[in-house]
Amino acid sequence: AQTIHQWPVAEIKAVGSPLSLGCTIKGKSSPNLYWYWQATGGTLQQLFYSITVGQVESVVQLNLSASRPKDDQFILSTEKLLLSHSGFYLCAWSPDGGEQYFGPGTRLTVL
Amino acid sequence: GDSVTQKQGQVTLSEDDFLFINCTYSTTTYPTLFWYVQYPGQGPQLLLKVTTANNKGISRGFEATYDKGTTSFHLQKASVQESDSAVYFCALVEANTNKVVFGTGTRLQVLP
Repeated sequence: AQTIHQWPVAEIKAVGSPLSLGCTIKGKSSPNLYWYWQATGGTLQQLFYSITVGQVESVVQLNLSASRPKDDQFILSTEKLLLSHSGFYLCAWSPDGGEQYFGPGTRLTVL
Repeated sequence: GDSVTQKQGQVTLSEDDFLFINCTYSTTTYPTLFWYVQYPGQGPQLLLKVTTANNKGISRGFEATYDKGTTSFHLQKASVQESDSAVYFCALVEANTNKVVFGTGTRLQVLP
């Protein structure tokens, strides 16, 4: 069975500080990987997707970047956090670009 | 680009009531449509997949139907339980793009 792990579970960061969030998928080779952002009580906004190692496509510009250094790992980062970056970050995988399987999420608070 | 509209922001029902949630979509391609459910503090879970080929999906007592004529798809359940209280999202995957568009979500509260 496939498992998806996100780290950290929660972060409290200062405006202007850097950020790195991680996601690992086990039990599935060459998955499609995704990052989403969700404001409290809001919908899911797709940020990035990757279909192979080293290749990441941006869907919306939010002063964030993503990388896929390994087949099973997806990283979301920024050098300078904004207040508007607060929210719930979700990593997901898909076998074929269709149905999404989400991780438990990382709650980010920017102060 | 493609879009999904989910107008019902909040639905309150009693146990054993009938549930009906509607989404409409706009696309120039042949989309694949999904319903997800999200419980507090968790990531969304896939509930149903509805392809334009089979028009219907069924899972965990929920049923999703698709109407190409009105470009809408619905989620229904004959008899809801308190444990069904959650936020339900419809979503559309644009064909051949890996781009996913979610609706704004419907918060379902089921009273005992």
